[in-house]
Amino acid sequence: GAVVSQHPSRVICKSGTSVKIECRSLDFQATTMFWYRQFPKKSLMLMATSNEGSKATYEQGVEKDKFLINHASLTLSTLTVTSAHPEDSSFYICSAKRQGQRTRYGYTFGSGTRLTVV
Amino acid sequence: QQPVQSPQAVILREGEDAVINCSSSKALYSVHWYRQKHGEAPVFLMILLKGGEQKGHDKISASFNEKKQQSSLYLTASQLSYSGTYFCGTDPAGGTSYGKLTFGQGTILTVHP
Repeated sequence: GAVVSQHPSRVICKSGTSVKIECRSLDFQATTMFWYRQFPKKSLMLMATSNEGSKATYEQGVEKDKFLINHASLTLSTLTVTSAHPEDSSFYICSAKRQGQRTRYGYTFGSGTRLTVV
Repeated sequence: QQPVQSPQAVILREGEDAVINCSSSKALYSVHWYRQKHGEAPVFLMILLKGGEQKGHDKISASFNEKKQQSSLYLTASQLSYSGTYFCGTDPAGGTSYGKLTFGQGTILTVHP
């Protein structure tokens, strides 16, 4: 159990275009999803916390208008990178927390999206 | 604030043991441990919730010293499949960071035949 599907796994886009990344919890309800960005050989940097039915909470230094997050249902959160530039190229990963969970279970990560902006 | 992991890298031969440490400057509610293989997403290993708690399955175990705000991951009789980058993720006690993890910089573990 506890499967999170992230799509697409890889995307190449032109500079100035927008890209949408989907994160779905397949077999559980996720009231909270987290979006991370990871540079090669670096740690996971939290970008934002996505809560179902409310506005996302962004970490300091993350542009809200550039990284749009929508958590429309208990199983789906999306991250849209708007007006992408080469410096936005990175590995983006989501993770999901089960409803009512803080104990016992770890968080399940999606498989990640490799974004390349050319 | 990001927890500090040590060492940054470990090279082992199959069958050898390793310890990875994670230290936080904040009081913690829990510590998570994950392993990430190159190009893949992190995979959950275990979560520790209470001071002094120890957990383990198979040959991987961990401890959590709540007072010292430290956790250690123990890998015994290492296998080739243990290779990867290990991250600790800390969930601070109290505050408004409910469930939000901050990850350490990672420890690269390489196991050779």
